[in-house]
Amino acid sequence: GENVEQHPSTLSVQEGDSAVIKCTYSDSASNYFPWYKQELGKRPQLIIDIRSNVGEKKDQRIAVTLNKTAKHFSLHITETQPEDSAVYFCAGGYALNFGKGTSLLVTP
Amino acid sequence: EAGVAQSPRYKIIEKRQSVAFWCNPISGHATLYWYQQILGQGPKLLIQFQNNGVVDDSQLPKDRFSAERLKGVDSTLKIQPAKLEDSAVYLCASSLGQGNAYEQYFGPGTRLTVT
Repeated sequence: GENVEQHPSTLSVQEGDSAVIKCTYSDSASNYFPWYKQELGKRPQLIIDIRSNVGEKKDQRIAVTLNKTAKHFSLHITETQPEDSAVYFCAGGYALNFGKGTSLLVTP
Repeated sequence: EAGVAQSPRYKIIEKRQSVAFWCNPISGHATLYWYQQILGQGPKLLIQFQNNGVVDDSQLPKDRFSAERLKGVDSTLKIQPAKLEDSAVYLCASSLGQGNAYEQYFGPGTRLTVT
């Protein structure tokens, strides 16, 4: 099955800076890579996803890039705000395999 | 549109006891998933249903865990007997269909504490 590795496990940035979270995957047949945001005590919510037929996708301050050759994909958050503080999970594979999560803290 | 409903929200039991969780997916969603999320980790898929059939239960500890979705709508997940390491949040999710074309919507989860 798919094995998804995510790093860093924690990330602290100043408000307004950019944050980047990276994930690698093992199954070259994987073609769908969502990112979820989970606030403390709440359910995971999809924030952006990318399919293997594109290399980049943007939605306002959030972007995801995919490198199929290297089998890695990244989440980019620009102009971070305190409300971006949460745990972010990447996932991949037909039956979604989640990374271990990145705890992002945005300090004012 | 109502979201995925789960109950109970919290449950505390002693080891070796049994427990059951209930999930009601979004209306019309054919695919239902149960995940286990241990503190500090990502969700791990336990079982996936397509209507009332099991699509994937490869990571379900079948000696103690069971799940059913008899009428293709609601689902229950049972643990019997529970172990300390079963302490986790159990998330139910649903999607219109199976596969990567469909977004998964998560319920609020049931937080299980085994003492």
